[in-house]
Amino acid sequence: LAKTTQPISMDSYEGQEVNITCSHNNIATNDYITWYQQFPSQGPRFIIQGYKTKVTNEVASLFIPADRKSSTLSLPRVSLSDTAVYYCLVGHHASGGSYIPTFGRGTSLIVHP
Amino acid sequence: EAEVAQSPRYKITEKSQAVAFWCDPISGHATLYWYRQILGQGPELLVQFQDESVVDDSQLPKDRFSAERLKGVDSTLKIQPAELGDSAMYLCASTGLQTGSYEQYFGPGTRLTVT
Repeated sequence: LAKTTQPISMDSYEGQEVNITCSHNNIATNDYITWYQQFPSQGPRFIIQGYKTKVTNEVASLFIPADRKSSTLSLPRVSLSDTAVYYCLVGHHASGGSYIPTFGRGTSLIVHP
Repeated sequence: EAEVAQSPRYKITEKSQAVAFWCDPISGHATLYWYRQILGQGPELLVQFQDESVVDDSQLPKDRFSAERLKGVDSTLKIQPAELGDSAMYLCASTGLQTGSYEQYFGPGTRLTVT
């Protein structure tokens, strides 16, 4: 199982770029890295997924170095509404081929005015 | 936009009572997950279904928890008897695993309080 480690909390200010790094030292060859955002009393919401190098969508970028032992979620120009918990998730494939996801403890991001 | 439905949204029960949660995944999604999330922690996978079959239930406390997805569509998670430590948010998610994406779609959750 690829265990993930993230900072417990981060603080930022509106308009700044926020980078949240997740370490996953024992990631397997066929594991993907996925990031979710969760607001209080809601289910997590998918942000971005990647396997290697860089992935960008309309809300974030995901940077994955060549060794894939870590990944960095980059949120450009955060706003107050980006205050949430961000989870890095690395799944593993069971013997039967099924993908089994494992959430970490998450990073609580607080964006200040 | 299609959503994962869960009911009830809130449930208060006394310890030793039975409680059940229901989940209806997005239509066509073959994989369904039940998670338990204790306040301040990440979601913990309890059970995963592929259609009607369980593919992982290694973290499910089988002495008191059970889950079923009889027709491979909606699913029920049951706790009997409930204990104080079961107070948590119970989340259901589904995915179609299309084109290599593992994106999970989560429902709003059921907040369980055991008194």
